[in-house]
Formats: sequence, structure tokens, C-alpha cells
Amino acid sequence: AQTVTQSQPEMSVQEAETVTLSCTYDTSENNYYLFWYKQPPSRQMILVIRQEAYKQQNATENRFSVNFQKAAKSFSLKISDSQLGDTAMYFCAFMSFSGYALNFGKGTSLLVTP
Amino acid sequence: ETGVTQTPRHLVMGMTNKKSLKCEQHLGHNAMYWYKQSAKKPLELMFVYNFKEQTENNSVPSRFSPECPNSSHLFLHLHTLQPEDSALYLCASSQGLGPERYGYTFGSGTRLTVV
Repeated sequence: AQTVTQSQPEMSVQEAETVTLSCTYDTSENNYYLFWYKQPPSRQMILVIRQEAYKQQNATENRFSVNFQKAAKSFSLKISDSQLGDTAMYFCAFMSFSGYALNFGKGTSLLVTP
Repeated sequence: ETGVTQTPRHLVMGMTNKKSLKCEQHLGHNAMYWYKQSAKKPLELMFVYNFKEQTENNSVPSRFSPECPNSSHLFLHLHTLQPEDSALYLCASSQGLGPERYGYTFGSGTRLTVV
């Protein structure tokens, strides 16, 4: 099974600043998908951004962008202009190209302070 | 509403009780999933159903019994649980298998405490 590692259990950032969350993964596959999910206190898991491994261009969704380094098996999430509503648990996840199960990391708790 | 509704939101049960968790979606999705979220551990996939048929049982103990009577409803029947089963149980759905192609929608979970 693929392993997803998030090495930062907790992080904090001031409002309007930029923060980067780290994620590494282990796989022998060449094609796969990577995701960042956000889980606010409401508990619902919400998709933030996703990346196809066969695409070299880094995915971007408004204030959220990723730095995908395939050779290094690294997939970090950058949040720009942080907002109080970004406070949540953030999970990195992996899915095989032909699969349907998400393999999650343990998560990073992000606190955005005024 | 999220599109995937889970009830109850919180549940406290004794080890000898029998209870059920319910998940309902009206998104027209055909695949439904149960995940277990424990503190300090990655989310674990428990069961997968596609068109009401179970396609995966991820070595889950028999004290957890899933049921999918139709594509819109998914249940998790619980009996003789252990304290280590205390966790957040998340339901998700997707239009078909392969959530990347169709997208997962998660519910808000049931917080289960076994005493």
C-alpha cells in the first residue's frame, strides 16, 4: 500500500501571510493522483486541490497552489493570503490511477491567527 | 447541506449495545464508502459499495456490518464494539468508482464513543 507522510502535525500562520504544508508519499507507480483535503470543525472533508501525476504543471485553485516534485515524491500545499476560515485540518491523499481508494496522511492542523 | 447526510452526528454506546449509523445521498451517485478516522491515525477505508454491491471489505472486524439497500443509502451496523472503535466514521459517495474521475463528496461524520 502507498504511504503518505505529513511531517508537520501543527502549524500556525498570521492572517494574510503565506504558509506551506508538506507531504511526501511512497509509490512504485508512474501514474496516480494526489489531493489536498480540508477538514474544518464542521468535520466535512472538502477537496482543496488535486494533481495528476502525468501533468508537469502544478495545480492552482485561487489562493491554493501545489509544488509537485514527482522525482522527490513530494506534494506540498501553499496557501497564500491566509484567511481565518482556512483554519482546519489539512490532509494529503494519494490514489492509484486505476484505483478508487484514497490513502490519507495523518494530517496537519493549521491555525490562522488575526 | 452537503449532499451527503450522516445520522446521528454523535453516538455513545456501551460495548454490549447494537446501533446503526446511517448515510444518505441524493446526488445520483452510485458508489458509497465508509471511512474510519481515529485520532493521530490516517483515515482508513472500511467498505466500498458500487451499485449496491460490496466491492471492498478492508479486513474490517465482523462487529462492523455494512448494508447498502440502494444506491442512495448506506448503513453501518455496530454490535459488541470495543473502546478502540471510538472514532469519527465518515461516509462518502461518488458517481462511479474512481473518485478522481467523478469526485468524492463526504458527509460530516458520526462521532462514535464506545464506553
